[in-house]
Parts: sequence; structure tokens; C-alpha cells
Amino acid sequence: GNSVTQMEGPVTLSEEAFLTINCTYTATGYPSLFWYVQYPGEGLQLLLKATKADDKGSNKGFEATYRKETTSFHLEKGSVQVSDSAVYFCALRAPSNQGGKLIFGQGTELSVKP
Amino acid sequence: DSGVTQTPKHLITATGQRVTLRCSPRSGDLSVYWYQQSLDQGLQFLIQYYNGEERAKGNILERFSAQQFPDLHSELNLSSLELGDSALYFCASSVAPGVNTEAFFGQGTRLTVV
Repeated sequence: GNSVTQMEGPVTLSEEAFLTINCTYTATGYPSLFWYVQYPGEGLQLLLKATKADDKGSNKGFEATYRKETTSFHLEKGSVQVSDSAVYFCALRAPSNQGGKLIFGQGTELSVKP
Repeated sequence: DSGVTQTPKHLITATGQRVTLRCSPRSGDLSVYWYQQSLDQGLQFLIQYYNGEERAKGNILERFSAQQFPDLHSELNLSSLELGDSALYFCASSVAPGVNTEAFFGQGTRLTVV
């Protein structure tokens, strides 16, 4: 079946530190991969996506590369800000012949201190 | 603003009761997804509709049901409520359940069962 595993949080960093949040997946076929972010009290927002192997998604200084050989899609940012404090969800989307649903990891809470 | 509207934002009800959560998808989106977010279970996929038809089912209890109407809005009905049903319920929509299309999330309905 399809599943997503993220590193456990919470992750606490100082402002301007380097961020990595690990995400690995199990899937049949060729899913698309996504990172969503949930700020306190809000819904999930798409942060970035990659639709095929070796694609790099990027947005707001965040990047993630679709690595088929290691079934990974790790999220990175070179210099985090206090405003990046949120919960980050890695997700995969199964092909439409498998229902096309979004499957999420358990979420990783990031707290950035000034 | 994602364009997905969920009502109500908050709901407090007693055990054994029945509630209906409503979702209006983004204009032009045909696919609607429901998710339950709780502290211990993370983000769980419940059910998906595409253009009025049920497309995929996840970990949805028999006490829960949903439908998508001809105007594409969707309702999630929760009955015989238990304390453990307290959670955030999110609706998301996408143009279609295709593998490359992203889903846009509403702000959620926070259900508290007392």
C-alpha cells in the first residue's frame, strides 16, 4: 500500500539555522509528492510539490527533491525564520487508477526561536 | 484564502448527537476530500468524491457518511457521536483526482463532543 513516514518532532531551531525534515514514502506506481504547511489555527497550505523522479520543488526558500532511488522527499531550508514555525506535512498522491487520494505523514512541528 | 469554505468553524455537541459539516469547494473543482485531524491519529483520510460520485474511501466509521451534491458542495454527517470523535475536520478540493493536481484545504471545522 501507499504510506508516508516523517521524522518525529517537535524540531526546535534558532533563527537562521539550517532545516531538514526527513520524509520517506512507500508507493506502488509513480506518485506525486507534496509538502504542506499548517500554521497555528489554520488549514493546510501547499508549500511545494514534485511530480516525477529528480524533480525539485521549491517555494519561499524551502526545497525538496523527489528521490526515487531512496524513496525520499526531504524538506530543506537554508535559513529559517521565526515565521516558519508551523507543522509540516509530507504527502503523496496516488495515481488516479488507485483513487488519487492524498496520503499524509504524521506531521513535524517546527519551532523557530529568535 | 484557499477558496474552500467550511462551515461551521466550531461545533460543540453532546455524545449521541448527530452533526453535519459543510464544505464548498473552490470554483471549478470537481473533487472533494474529507480528512480528520486528531492529536493521536494525525491527518486521516476519510472519503473522496468526484463530480457527485464516491471515489475513494479511507478510515471512515460506519457512523459517518458523506455526499456531494449537484452543485458540488459536500456534507459530512457524523452520528451517534462519541468523545473520541472530537477533532478537526478538514475538507479539501481539487480540479480532478489526477496525480499531478494539488488539493486546496479549507480552514476546518473543530468539533468538540462533550
